[in-house]
Amino acid sequence: QSVLTQPPSVSAAPGQKVTISCSGSSSNIGNNYVSWYQQLPGTAPKLLIYDNTERPSGIPDRFSGSKSGTSATLGITGLQTGDEADYYCGTWDNRLSAGVFGGGTKLTVL
Amino acid sequence: QVQLVQSGSELKQPGASVKVSCKASGYTFTTYSMNWVRQTPGQGLEWMGYISANTGNPIYAQGFTGQLVFSWDTSVNTAYLQISSLKPEDTAVYYCARDAKMVHFDHWGQGTLVTVSS
Repeated sequence: QSVLTQPPSVSAAPGQKVTISCSGSSSNIGNNYVSWYQQLPGTAPKLLIYDNTERPSGIPDRFSGSKSGTSATLGITGLQTGDEADYYCGTWDNRLSAGVFGGGTKLTVL
Repeated sequence: QVQLVQSGSELKQPGASVKVSCKASGYTFTTYSMNWVRQTPGQGLEWMGYISANTGNPIYAQGFTGQLVFSWDTSVNTAYLQISSLKPEDTAVYYCARDAKMVHFDHWGQGTLVTVSS
């Protein structure tokens, strides 16, 4: 049972837009920055978004992040088959004094 | 460029110990905390803890205390994860990840598969 809640799967057609939600509480998302990670099959996770909305260099602007209250959202526009991956949100939890991740969302590009 | 290179896969018997290494390059090693993250087969990411850049002290996630030892050798820019009393349920891929700021993991090792089986 993950501390952060994500939908297990989402899907959309190539070229379309998809959003992935990440729900938490005041002890984690509500008072800390959120990061998002992409994990392609058989590879290590890769940082996509940090500080709720910021993209590391090299990450295309098709990927965006937002946060409102105790929830965060990852948006992906112009979907490509290469975007098929598992996506994880992560943040710090002040009550647990621990890093926490969502359970992951599998993106399928139909 | 920043690189984290981990040691290779391990096959261990139940009750044994394993030590995974993570060699860093491309940055000043002691200016970033090093975290460890576990991923069991087909499952999500689980934060295990970190070794603090500020103090060099390890911080362990609840549930792992007693089984893990984080360490680092700054002379060779390498962090280590030692897991003792291995059980089959410890079978997982273990990742090291550089921490830019509180679960802002900007660089990851390639992962080390530890298989625990008799």
